Amino acid sequence: QEQLVQSGAEVREPGASVKVSCKASGYTFTGYYIHWVRQAPGQGLEWMGWINPHSGATESAEKFQGWVTLTRDTTISTAFIQVSRLRRDDTAVYFCARGKNVVGEVASHLDPWGQGTLVTVSS
Amino acid sequence: SYELTQPPSVSVAPGLTARIPCSGNKMGYNHVYWYQQKPGQAPVLVIYQDDKRPSGIPERFSGSNSGTTATLTISGTQAVDEADYHCQAWDSSAVVFGGGTKLTV
Repeated sequence: QEQLVQSGAEVREPGASVKVSCKASGYTFTGYYIHWVRQAPGQGLEWMGWINPHSGATESAEKFQGWVTLTRDTTISTAFIQVSRLRRDDTAVYFCARGKNVVGEVASHLDPWGQGTLVTVSS
Repeated sequence: SYELTQPPSVSVAPGLTARIPCSGNKMGYNHVYWYQQKPGQAPVLVIYQDDKRPSGIPERFSGSNSGTTATLTISGTQAVDEADYHCQAWDSSAVVFGGGTKLTV
C-alpha cells in the first residue's frame, strides 16, 4: 500500500542542523507532491513547505524561508528536509505527507502521512 | 495571512452528535479538509473537499462548508472518536491549518 516511512529521532544542539528523510513506497514517487508539517509539543500542526519530486520545485512558508531546505532523490524515492541554525523552539515532531499529483494545481488534501520524526534541540 | 480558527476543545456525550467548527474569512472560496490525530500518532484524513469521506472512514463522519465556517460533524459519537481534529485549507499555494480542537467523549 502507499506509505511514507521517515528516519529516526534526532537530538541536536542549538545552532546545529538536522536532515530528516521520508521514503515513499507503493506509488510513483515523482507523481505526487510531498509536504512537510511540524508539531511542537502540545501544539497544533504547522505547515513548512512542499516539494514537487518530478521537477524539484519547492515552496516554503514565509517563516521558514532561508533556513529550511527541501530536496529529493528520485533514485531512492526519498524526500528530505534540512533545518539549519536550530533553536530550542524547533523541538517538534516533523511529518512528511503526500499531496496531490503533480499535474495541475497543487491544492488538495494530505494523505497518507509519515509516522513522524522527533527532533529535539537541547544543549 | 489567511488564518483558520477552531475552538480549543469540544465535549460530547457518547451517542450524541459532535460539531467542530472551523472559521476563516475565505472559507466560502476554498475547500476544507479535516484530519483526526490521536496521541502519539500521525494525522489521518477524515474529510476532503468539504464533505467527502475517504474509503475506510465511518459514515458517522461528515463535513460542510458555507459562508465563513466549515463544520466537521460526528453523529453517534463513540469513545474511539476522542482525538484532536485539525481543519486545513489553502491560501494560494500554501497550506493553512487551524489550531486544532480536542474532542472529549
